[in-house]
Amino acid sequence: DAGVTQSPTHLIKTRGQQVTLRCSPKSGHDTVSWYQQALGQGPQFIFQYYEEEERQRGNFPDRFSGHQFPNYSSELNVNALLLGDSALYLCASSSGTGRTEAFFGQGTRLTVV
Amino acid sequence: GQNIDQPTEMTATEGAIVQINCTYQTSGFNGLFWYQQHAGEAPTFLSYNVLDGLEEKGRFSSFLSRSKGYSYLLLKELQMKDSASYLCAVSHEGFSGGYNKLIFGAGTRLAVHP
Repeated sequence: DAGVTQSPTHLIKTRGQQVTLRCSPKSGHDTVSWYQQALGQGPQFIFQYYEEEERQRGNFPDRFSGHQFPNYSSELNVNALLLGDSALYLCASSSGTGRTEAFFGQGTRLTVV
Repeated sequence: GQNIDQPTEMTATEGAIVQINCTYQTSGFNGLFWYQQHAGEAPTFLSYNVLDGLEEKGRFSSFLSRSKGYSYLLLKELQMKDSASYLCAVSHEGFSGGYNKLIFGAGTRLAVHP
C-alpha cells in the first residue's frame, strides 16, 4: 500500500514565477492538508481539502491556492514566488471517518532564487 | 491565540530516558499528537492523546493534562536512531465531517550520543 506521495521532491524556481506541487493521498483517505515547513521550524498549516473544496485555511496569502480532484489527489499552487516561500512543503492525508492520525508525504523542497 | 512551546534542543545518552515537554494554549482543542522527524524526511506519527493520562507504546509514552495545557513525550532505552526532531502538535477543532488541522510547535531536536 503506497503511502502519501508528493512530486516533485525538489524544485528550484525564480522569484516571481509560479509553482504547482502535487500530492496523492494514502489509499482510503479523503482529506488532504498542506503544510509549509521552514528550516528549523515546525510545519505551518496552509489549507485543507475535503470533498474537492477548501474547508479550512491558515494565515497564508491568496497567492497560495489549491485544488482537490475526484480521486482525492491534490495540488498546491503558489503564484508570484517570493524568496521567503523557500521551504519544505508537506502534504498530509487522513480519513474524516476513521482515526484522526495524519500521514505525511516526504515533502517537496522548494527553493526560490 | 494559539501557542505551543517546547524546548529547542536536548541531548541524552544512549540507553537513557529522556522527557520532552510541550505546553500549549489554544482554543478548540481536540487532541495532541507527537511526531518524529528525521532530517530531510517526513514527520512520522508517534502518539495521540485526547484524554488526560499516559499512553504507552513500546519505548515511547506520552502524557496529557488538558487542565494544565501540558504534555510530555517519554523515550526510554534511547538508541542512536532516536536522534531526530520531535514535534508536538495540537489538533484544532475544525469543520464537522472532516479532519482537524494540526498546530505544530517548532520542534525539539534530540541528539543521542554514545
